Amino acid sequence: DQQVKQNSPSLSVQEGRISILNCDYTNSMFDYFLWYKKYPAEGPTFLISISSIKDKNEDGRFTVFLNKSAKHLSLHIVPSQPGDSAVYFCAASSRPSNYQLIWGAGTKLIIKP
Amino acid sequence: GAGVSQSPSNKVTEKGKDVELRCDPISGHTALYWYRQSLGQGLEFLIYFQGNSAPDKSGLPSDRFSAERTGGSVSTLTIQRTQQEDSAVYLCASSPGLRQPQHFGDGTRLSIL
Repeated sequence: DQQVKQNSPSLSVQEGRISILNCDYTNSMFDYFLWYKKYPAEGPTFLISISSIKDKNEDGRFTVFLNKSAKHLSLHIVPSQPGDSAVYFCAASSRPSNYQLIWGAGTKLIIKP
Repeated sequence: GAGVSQSPSNKVTEKGKDVELRCDPISGHTALYWYRQSLGQGLEFLIYFQGNSAPDKSGLPSDRFSAERTGGSVSTLTIQRTQQEDSAVYLCASSPGLRQPQHFGDGTRLSIL
């Protein structure tokens, strides 16, 4: 029973274009969402988060959108750069277990030169 | 370095042996987490420590798994009588507190022969 789903195992995008990574969730109690980026043989690195009281959060080239009615969030990266090639994970948590993150399986993003 | 440090980075052992994995969190971070990532999967929560509170062990898969955190800092994850299904990357993370992004170490890749 996967509560957080990333349905695309991989995504290939041309350098300079927009990358859109998607994540769906089933638990309506989730109220805090995060995106992490992971390079091979390294731990995940925090990118951006969003609380359920918002529908958008932006940080530089990264924007996360949250659609609560659809239980869907997405990460937009624009413009995409070669260094963005990595595996991207979305994760979610809910009160009272604020700390227990539930993770998607990840999407491998490949930026083509 | 100022990041989360895990050791060893790789561990190969025979089925039935005990293993100990170590995590040094970021100084001042009160929360510490252990996760497990199997090939092609998202991160699976194992255990959470917060300050001097009793740890949340709800994610530990069996009683062969245990963890402790000494002096509110370094943590050790112990797996007794290892099985082949224990083969995975074990990741440790720390955060300044609840609802704060978790910072990860590079993990220990455990292989059970």
